[in-house]
Amino acid sequence: KQEVTQIPAALSVPEGENLVLNCSFTDSAIYNLQWFRQDPGKGLTSLLLIQSSQREQTSGRLNASLDKSSGRSTLYIAASQPGDSATYLCAVPISNFGNEKLTFGTGTRLTIIP
Amino acid sequence: EPEVTQTPSHQVTQMGQEVILRCVPISNHLYFYWYRQILGQKVEFLVSFYNNEISEKSEIFDDQFSVERPDGSNFTLKIRSTKLEDSAMYFCAGQRQVYGYTFGSGTRLTVV
Repeated sequence: KQEVTQIPAALSVPEGENLVLNCSFTDSAIYNLQWFRQDPGKGLTSLLLIQSSQREQTSGRLNASLDKSSGRSTLYIAASQPGDSATYLCAVPISNFGNEKLTFGTGTRLTIIP
Repeated sequence: EPEVTQTPSHQVTQMGQEVILRCVPISNHLYFYWYRQILGQKVEFLVSFYNNEISEKSEIFDDQFSVERPDGSNFTLKIRSTKLEDSAMYFCAGQRQVYGYTFGSGTRLTVV
């Protein structure tokens, strides 16, 4: 059974700093990994999707990496801003003939201090 | 960018009442899902829907739950007789293979 873990559970950093969020998964037989952002009481916004054939994916100040063999992914946020404060979730699919239910981590609650 | 729309955003219901949560998925998505998130806990899978039928359901999705796509656009989750422990955020999502998931903004269900 796939287990997804995110460490730390919470992180506070001053504005402008670069930071890394971690995600680990127990079953390395995944074919993609998706990072989401969740604002308090709100929905899930997709940030980045990395296919298993990729090692990195970038969008603006965000860079996600994937190392399947070690069961790890990181989300790097450059030059953090107060608007980046949110909970960040990673999720991996369990495929069943195209039906890809996701297993989520518990998330990292990020606070950027102005 | 296309969105998944969920209504209502918040619903309060009395225990034992039926509720219907509604979703309008993105039209070119093939697979549709319902997830829920109890306050402070992980987002967890409820059910997947493909080609107008359930393709997989979790152990949470018992006989009090049902899903429908009655008119080819709206996608609904019905809870027949709500319990206090059904209080959660319910998310609808759609997916095209390779392109990942798009989630709706959620319905907060409060059972009193």
